[in-house]
Amino acid sequence: DSGVTQTPKHLITATGQRVTLRCSPRSGDLSVYWYQQSLDQGLQFLIQYYNGEERAKGNILERFSAQQFPDLHSELNLSSLELGDSALYFCASSAEQGRTDTQYFGPGTRLTVL
Amino acid sequence: GQNIDQPTEMTATEGAIVQINCTYQTSGFNGLFWYQQHAGEAPTFLSYNVLDGLEEKGRFSSFLSRSKGYSYLLLKELQMKDSASYLCAVENSNYQLIWGAGTKLIIKP
Repeated sequence: DSGVTQTPKHLITATGQRVTLRCSPRSGDLSVYWYQQSLDQGLQFLIQYYNGEERAKGNILERFSAQQFPDLHSELNLSSLELGDSALYFCASSAEQGRTDTQYFGPGTRLTVL
Repeated sequence: GQNIDQPTEMTATEGAIVQINCTYQTSGFNGLFWYQQHAGEAPTFLSYNVLDGLEEKGRFSSFLSRSKGYSYLLLKELQMKDSASYLCAVENSNYQLIWGAGTKLIIKP
C-alpha cells in the first residue's frame, strides 16, 4: 500500500458525460501528479500540482482539468467524454517540488466510456 | 526532444537472469528510476540511480552510465511473479520525469 488513495476504483459512463476522479496523496506529500494509461500503452503524464498550484503540464486535453485543494487532495475533471478516454487514470504523489523525489502511485481509477 | 528507449517485450525462463536495457536522451539528468507494473495495477518503485555504477537490492540490481545515457535493470532467479512491465523514467534538469513506454517481461516455466 503506497498510501495514495484514489476514488472511485471503477467508473462506467457514456460519451458526452463528465466525471470527476479524486486523489488523496500520502501524508506529508505536497506534489500530486495525474497520469493516463490506455490499454497496453505507456504512462502519459497529464498534469502536476504542488501545494495547490499547477507546476507542470503534459499531454492534457482541453476537455480535462484538475485542481489541488488546501487539504492537498486533488481532483481530475474529464468532460465531453469520448470512447478514446477509456483508460486507467493514476494519481501519484511525492514530498517536494524542485528536488529529486520518488513518486508513489495510487491504485488507479479505471474509466470506461460506452 | 527527450526520449527514453526500452525494448517492448522480453521473454525469459523461470530461475534464469534477464537484463532490461534503457537508453535515454533528456535535457539534463537528475536521476533514473525503475518501476514495476503488473497488468492493471499501479507502478511500484524499484530503484533509483543518480551516480554511475550498480545498485543492488536483493534479486534486483540497477546499473547506470551517465556518459552513455544508459541503464539496465537486472533480475536474477526469476520467479513467475516477476512477469510484469518494467518502466524506466529519467528526471531531467527541471525535475520532470520522462517515462519510457515500458518493457513487458514474460516469464515461462
